[in-house]
Amino acid sequence: SYELTQPPSVSVSPGQTASITCSGDNLGEKYVSWYQQKPGQAPQLVIYQDTKRPSGIPERFSGSNSGNTATLTISGTQAMDETDYFCQAWDSNTAVFGTGTKVTVL
Amino acid sequence: QVQLQESGPGLVKSSQTLSLTCTVSGGSISSGDYYWSWIRQSPGKGLEWIGYIHYTGSTYYNPSRESRVTMSVDTSKNQFSLKLSSVTAADTAVYFCARGDYNIVTGYYALDYWGQGTLVTVSS
Repeated sequence: SYELTQPPSVSVSPGQTASITCSGDNLGEKYVSWYQQKPGQAPQLVIYQDTKRPSGIPERFSGSNSGNTATLTISGTQAMDETDYFCQAWDSNTAVFGTGTKVTVL
Repeated sequence: QVQLQESGPGLVKSSQTLSLTCTVSGGSISSGDYYWSWIRQSPGKGLEWIGYIHYTGSTYYNPSRESRVTMSVDTSKNQFSLKLSSVTAADTAVYFCARGDYNIVTGYYALDYWGQGTLVTVSS
């Protein structure tokens, strides 16, 4: 089965840029979505179709996808961005989620 | 604004069937080409996709759970449902329903609206 691998944790200083990677075989050939999940809440879609932001998502969230790696970038990271992030792709008629990354704003 | 709300027993005995319903408000489950989905998250773990149902009744389940999963839709009540049979402790999780935006041609699938989730505990 298809697997998406993320680093367990990423640390970033306030105001700096956080980059969260998501790796999978030929991932660049698939559309990737990213979700933010705060404790006790449902995930929220922050990026879809690799690079697009849903209405209401701040511009500091951006995405890219090429080769075997997709990346979620948070520019000018704020304390409120400290939480878990999951990538997701569609493979063989199945939605596959990444292992998840906890972003810590130090 | 579309809203989803899960409902069902929070405690299920081992070997029995877990049954959950998702009620959709703020829009018709029959409008648009959406795929109404179930996802679960075991305590402290990642997300697992269970499957989806279209308002026409068409379904697709995660092959790893396919033998135990049944989904149904009731357009008159704007609801869709999940049944998971022969549950074990490993099925203890928070279960989410969500709206899937899916394009079969491009392989694009994203979950744009989610319910708040409901914890289901399987007891022995």
